[in-house]
Amino acid sequence: GENVEQHPSTLSVQEGDSAVIKCTYSDSASNYFPWYKQELGKRPQLIIDIRSNVGEKKDQRIAVTLNKTAKHFSLHITETQPEDSAVYFCAASNAAKAAGNKLTFGGGTRVLVKP
Amino acid sequence: DGGITQSPKYLFRKEGQNVTLSCEQNLNHDAMYWYRQDPGQGLRLIYYSQIVNDFQKGDIAEGYSVSREKKESFPLTVTSAQKNPTAFYLCASSIQGGNTNEKLFFGSGTQLSVL
Repeated sequence: GENVEQHPSTLSVQEGDSAVIKCTYSDSASNYFPWYKQELGKRPQLIIDIRSNVGEKKDQRIAVTLNKTAKHFSLHITETQPEDSAVYFCAASNAAKAAGNKLTFGGGTRVLVKP
Repeated sequence: DGGITQSPKYLFRKEGQNVTLSCEQNLNHDAMYWYRQDPGQGLRLIYYSQIVNDFQKGDIAEGYSVSREKKESFPLTVTSAQKNPTAFYLCASSIQGGNTNEKLFFGSGTQLSVL
């Protein structure tokens, strides 16, 4: 089955700097790559996703890039703010292969933005 | 902050005891999921249900059971056969299951600990 690895496991950045989280996946047929943010004590929430027919997607200060050849995708957060402090999870799935919207998640990255 | 509700927030299990975690959603979603969250391991899928009266095993189903008698409810039972049940359990739903890639809506989770 699919295997998703996420790095780094923890990331500390100064407020205003950029943060980058990288994920690699094993199944070349995976075609959907969402990112979820889980603030302390709260439920995970989708912040951005990308499908395999595009290479990059942006939403204000966050962006995701996908390299299908290398089988990796990354989350980029620019101009980080204290409210960006959270655990971020990447995930991958192949809807055509796995019925039921089955996502395989990475291990998570704890991001701390220092003021 | 409604939509999908999990209860209780904290649960303790004695040796040899079965316990049931509740998950209710009022979003009229067809699909529901149970994930287990362990530190540093991301979210792992236990069971999922694409429609009422139907459910499938996820990646770590051993020691767990579910039912889906009503569209809005997807309870998870942690049986005595689950030897390492201490974890944070997250329930989620999506508009439909099947061969789609969709946003997951998560509950606020239940922390299960062994006495």
